[in-house]
Amino acid sequence: TQLLEQSPQFLSIQEGENLTVYCNSSSVFSSLQWYRQEPGEGPVLLVTVVTGGEVKKLKRLTFQFGDARKDSSLHITAAQPGDTGLYLCAGPNTGGFKTIFGAGTRLFVKA
Amino acid sequence: DAGVIQSPRHEVTEMGQEVTLRCKPISGHDYLFWYRQTMMRGLELLIYFNNNVPIDDSGMPEDRFSAKMPNASFSTLKIQPSEPRDSAVYFCASSLLGTGGFNYGYTFGSGTRLTVV
Repeated sequence: TQLLEQSPQFLSIQEGENLTVYCNSSSVFSSLQWYRQEPGEGPVLLVTVVTGGEVKKLKRLTFQFGDARKDSSLHITAAQPGDTGLYLCAGPNTGGFKTIFGAGTRLFVKA
Repeated sequence: DAGVIQSPRHEVTEMGQEVTLRCKPISGHDYLFWYRQTMMRGLELLIYFNNNVPIDDSGMPEDRFSAKMPNASFSTLKIQPSEPRDSAVYFCASSLLGTGGFNYGYTFGSGTRLTVV
């Protein structure tokens, strides 16, 4: 069974701090995606990483796909209150078109 | 495009009543997914459709749950009879399968918050 484990589960930081959240699996994924979900809304796709070792940047967010394509990280520089939300990693299951979601990291950035 | 549209946004119903949730996917997307989200279990896939045909309903918890997609622009998820443990946020998402089976990611609706009392 393919599983995606995210850590930490919860993170509360001050505005301006940097942080990294992680997404790990014992399985290889052909790609991984990161979503952000704000309270009362559905998840919104932030990025898809496809190649092992790939790094993508989205303003203050940096996403990295592990060399073996079993893990990914999201680094936020100088966090802002607008970054508050649930960050989910997701990947396609083997042999189908289902997407497996991790349980998420709930981030709270205090002003 | 207006995105994936779900209705209603909130639903409060009494145990035993029938509940119908509605979804309009993004035009041109050929996959539609129904998810349920709770604090305890996170996002759970209930069922998904490809070109209006149900492909995998193994996540549907019980026979009380049913889903239909009569055309490319509309889908429903029905719970009959509803129970308090069905209380959750239900999301619809749509997607487009790319060349070679590449998953471009899902576009989610804003969800329906269901409370069964």
